[in-house]
Amino acid sequence: SQQGEEDPQALSIQEGENATMNCSYKTSINNLQWYRQNSGRGLVHLILIRSNEREKHSGRLRVTLDTSKKSSSLLITASRAADTASYFCGTGRRALTFGSGTRLQVQP
Amino acid sequence: DAGVIQSPRHEVTEMGQEVTLRCKPISGHDYLFWYRQTMMRGLELLIYFNNNVPIDDSGMPEDRFSAKMPNASFSTLKIQPSEPRDSAVYFCASSPGSQGGYFSGETQYFGPGTRLLVL
Repeated sequence: SQQGEEDPQALSIQEGENATMNCSYKTSINNLQWYRQNSGRGLVHLILIRSNEREKHSGRLRVTLDTSKKSSSLLITASRAADTASYFCGTGRRALTFGSGTRLQVQP
Repeated sequence: DAGVIQSPRHEVTEMGQEVTLRCKPISGHDYLFWYRQTMMRGLELLIYFNNNVPIDDSGMPEDRFSAKMPNASFSTLKIQPSEPRDSAVYFCASSPGSQGGYFSGETQYFGPGTRLLVL
């Protein structure tokens, strides 16, 4: 069974808009990671947030973590067409368990 | 660094044939992972190694699958005999572990994947 589950499954927005995707997980975690996957490619690490952190920023990315609700969100601000990809959250100390991902389409 | 290298990138084979997928992790990384991605099941961990030793192979589907890591720079995933339901994209990933420190040690670096089609 999957530990993390992303929501929504698909998201379509216009360039310049913000994109928010959510991840829910089932058991306690040490950290949560977000990855991006472009079509036909491997996953690329975006950001890691530890269980004792509530918010983390990296460029146009903002990740929040609410351990009481077992959920995390990834916000991409001022989206670009190049942000079009699938986004996955992964949990686990070493080996990661991923959800089914959010497919983001940014229209130019 | 060239990143994680996987070969072949594409493999088409017939049911019953042996398939060998290869992976070269990033130099200096302590951990190596094999994942499988399908539309139906998403991304699944198959097995992972720490310092060339298999740690968790509970995700390996059945005895037809085997994985080895004879040294720090090479790993193989073998399917024998292959079946159509094995068709998927197989990813290898590595992570620094203790070499990466507190903030980066658990980041995983994925290879481009091997797209396997079993007819």
